[in-house]
Amino acid sequence: GQQLNQSPQSMFIQEGEDVSMNCTSSSIFNTWLWYKQDPGEGPVLLIALYKAGELTSNGRLTAQFGITRKDSFLNISASIPSDVGIYFCAGRLSQGAGSYQLTFGKGTKLSVIP
Amino acid sequence: EAQVTQNPRYLITVTGKKLTVTCSQNMNHEYMSWYRQDPGLGLRQIYYSMNVEVTDKGDVPEGYKVSRKEKRNFPLILESPSPNQTSLYFCASTRQAGTDTQYFGPGTRLTVL
Repeated sequence: GQQLNQSPQSMFIQEGEDVSMNCTSSSIFNTWLWYKQDPGEGPVLLIALYKAGELTSNGRLTAQFGITRKDSFLNISASIPSDVGIYFCAGRLSQGAGSYQLTFGKGTKLSVIP
Repeated sequence: EAQVTQNPRYLITVTGKKLTVTCSQNMNHEYMSWYRQDPGLGLRQIYYSMNVEVTDKGDVPEGYKVSRKEKRNFPLILESPSPNQTSLYFCASTRQAGTDTQYFGPGTRLTVL
C-alpha cells in the first residue's frame, strides 16, 4: 500500500514557539488531512486540503497541500500547553478501488514546555 | 450528542479466548471502520464497511472479523486473540465513504497475555 513518512517523530518546544511538521508520500494524493489526538482520546480532524498548492488555516494552525501532491505541511504558531498531543497526517487517493481509505502517517508527538 | 462509542474501553485477556469489541454510532453514518494504533506505526486500518452488509479488508485484517448487520453497529471480533494483537483499537464513522470528517471513538486498549 501507500507509504506516508511523517516527520519529526517527536518534538519538545517552549511555549510560544512555532512548530512545523510534514508528511511525504510515495504516491500522489488528492486529499490531505491533518488530525490531532489528545492523550486518551481518538483523533479529531483539524484541517482538510483538497487542491495542490492550497493553504488553509484553522486558528493558529496552517496546513498546505504540496504542489507535487506528494507532501503536506502543518504549522502551529505561538504554541500553548493544550497543543500537546499526537498529530497525524492522512492522505486519500480518490480514484479507483479502495479510494475511500485513508493512509495515516505514523504521527508527530508534540510536547510543549511551559 | 453525536458520538461513536466503544466497549469495553480496557480489556486484558488470554491467548485464544474469543472476544468482541463493540462499536456504535448515533449519526446514521454509512461508512464505519476499525483501526489499530501501535507505537511507531500510527493508525492502520483493519476492516471497513461502506454500508449494511458490506464489509472489506483494510491493511491489516489478519486475525480479525467484523460484521455490519445494522447501520449503527460495527463489532470487531477476535476469534483467537494472540499477543501480537495487543494494541489500542479505534472505531470510526463517516457520513459516507469519501467524506472527510471521520469521527473516532474513544479507543479500546486490549492486552492479550
